[in-house]
Amino acid sequence: EDKVVQSPLSLVVHEGDTVTLNCSYEVTNFRSLLWYKQEKKAPTFLFMLTSSGIEKKSGRLSSILDKKELFSILNITATQTGDSAIYLCAPYYNQGGKLIFGQGTELSVKP
Amino acid sequence: DADVTQTPRNRITKTGKRIMLECSQTKGHDRMYWYRQDPGLGLRLIYYSFDVKDINKGEISDGYSVSRQAQAKFSLSLESAIPNQTALYFCATSDPGLSGNTIYFGEGSWLTVV
Repeated sequence: EDKVVQSPLSLVVHEGDTVTLNCSYEVTNFRSLLWYKQEKKAPTFLFMLTSSGIEKKSGRLSSILDKKELFSILNITATQTGDSAIYLCAPYYNQGGKLIFGQGTELSVKP
Repeated sequence: DADVTQTPRNRITKTGKRIMLECSQTKGHDRMYWYRQDPGLGLRLIYYSFDVKDINKGEISDGYSVSRQAQAKFSLSLESAIPNQTALYFCATSDPGLSGNTIYFGEGSWLTVV
């Protein structure tokens, strides 16, 4: 059965801390993995990862995929209160075209 | 204007009533999805459609039905709403073509069943 597990489920840090969010998956016909940030409304796109070992960066956020070990991490350095959100990962299947989401990691950044 | 529009944005309905959530998109994508979100459970796929003639069940399709009236429109129906269908519902579209597999979400529809 296809499975996506994110950890931790929730995390509280202080501004300036660095955090690492984890996403492990077991899916057939894997094609790519997507990361989203969700604040009080719809998720917004962060990264799409298709190749192992190639880090994608956007400002203080970075992400990398390991297709052999079936996981991805999302790093946020020098966290700010505006980083407080739910972070969702979702592997995308080649067959069926489904996008299945993990439970999300709720990050809270305190001043 | 939003690329993916959901209506209504908020709705309170009674147990046993029929409710329809509508979604329209201007992105020209073939693929459309309906998800529901509950605290601690992330987004769960209800139904998805690859084109007007293709409808597929997702993880939690029981109690729901969908209609793909046109490429741009995908509606979700609850034939007889029950309280545990109270959730935030998202419509989304994607186009796994040149732009990759990025998925675009509507703003969400809050549904409360009392």
